Amino acid sequence: GESVGLHLPTLSVQEGDNSIINCAYSNSASDYFIWYKQESGKGPQFIIDIRSNMDKRQGQRVTVLLNKTVKHLSLQIAATQPGDSAVYFCAENFVGSSNTGKLIFGQGTTLQVKP
Amino acid sequence: DADVTQTPRNRITKTGKRIMLECSQTKGHDRMYWYRQDPGLGLRLIYYSFDVKDINKGEISDGYSVSRQAQAKFSLSLESAIPNQTALYFCATRDRNTEAFFGQGTRLTVV
Repeated sequence: GESVGLHLPTLSVQEGDNSIINCAYSNSASDYFIWYKQESGKGPQFIIDIRSNMDKRQGQRVTVLLNKTVKHLSLQIAATQPGDSAVYFCAENFVGSSNTGKLIFGQGTTLQVKP
Repeated sequence: DADVTQTPRNRITKTGKRIMLECSQTKGHDRMYWYRQDPGLGLRLIYYSFDVKDINKGEISDGYSVSRQAQAKFSLSLESAIPNQTALYFCATRDRNTEAFFGQGTRLTVV
């Protein structure tokens, strides 16, 4: 299953399938990007990050892809499990003349895993 | 103990009241942030601080103020609370160009 940008708030996938969550970021000068997972009633938890000098980074069952040309970030989750059900946020480390270091979040995508 | 601690966890207050939300961290990080979370709007940045003498407004600072009392402490105040400030508030801390660590959140209801 795949979400498109920040305008599709919910992604529903079958257990065992791969999930792709997309994010469009705002600032072409942003130099660092992070994916967070937020479960109900909890604060966001770090999943994986990537710096702007990379286009791909892999973790355990997760991969982040960065396309700076179109300012697009994606999170791929392999073999999605029920425990992956949560809201996923992308965040960018903003770089600008007066506000470098702001960490700006996207709206989030709710991932629902069907057994 | 949690790396980032927010107090209180839940609070109900009346319109017009002053309220302070507190955040403390044991990570030793210089950078601290306050975010607000509303359903469907994700996390929005209220204020951030890079050290005790550095305070910066975020996207939605109107109606809020902050105080960085020490490297480890960053508090958020609502001088005169209004109902549309009902939300979930998160504090976060980070080093330069690393991930942010979040507290468990404060659920604030203004009636």
